[in-house]
Amino acid sequence: EVQLVESGGGLVQPGGSLRLSCAASGFTVSSNYMSWVRQAPGKGLEWVSVIYSGGSTYYADSVKGRFTISRDNSKNTLYLQMNSLRAEDTAVYYCAIKYRDWGQGTLVTVSS
Amino acid sequence: DIQMTQSPSSLSASVGDRVTITCQASQDISNYLNWYQQKPGKAPKLLIYDASNLETGVPSRFSGSGSGTDFTFTISSLQPEDIATYYCQQYDKPPYTFGQGTKLEIK
Repeated sequence: EVQLVESGGGLVQPGGSLRLSCAASGFTVSSNYMSWVRQAPGKGLEWVSVIYSGGSTYYADSVKGRFTISRDNSKNTLYLQMNSLRAEDTAVYYCAIKYRDWGQGTLVTVSS
Repeated sequence: DIQMTQSPSSLSASVGDRVTITCQASQDISNYLNWYQQKPGKAPKLLIYDASNLETGVPSRFSGSGSGTDFTFTISSLQPEDIATYYCQQYDKPPYTFGQGTKLEIK
């Protein structure tokens, strides 16, 4: 059974950093493409980033240069390093494999 | 970037009604389109992939059609458990943008 568990969310001040983790079980992270999608409170879904099995990565314009997606194959875990955080980055962040299976989400709040 | 225009933004219908949501891409995306259902406080659920393929385990009252720039999502007979927000998403070229969503309510 595929399972994705996000962690690492919390309250951070503007300009700060956070690293989100997405621990995977039931499949191999490195063999699949995996994505981060976020949802601001009361708003729609916003695609954030993807990493392909070959290592290629892509980002939304809104996070390019500030966020970095990566994976640790030995831990079967996906990451999202978020730097220079802004109030508008406040959202629930979901990880997903092939957009078929999703984690429960982790809330990131950027506020002073 | 490819823009996805979804309509309507909200919809009220009765149980048993046929419901249709449309999604228009700003450029040709072939059939690289997903449809999702999201209920409050929950992660999105993939219903349709490649524009018209029903995900395993999804009831057959859900369907999708279209290619190129114009796409349609249909619920053939609305059920109470279908109350949710529905999103389209293109995955032809990154960034893989979502439509703005359609909130479906029971009349």
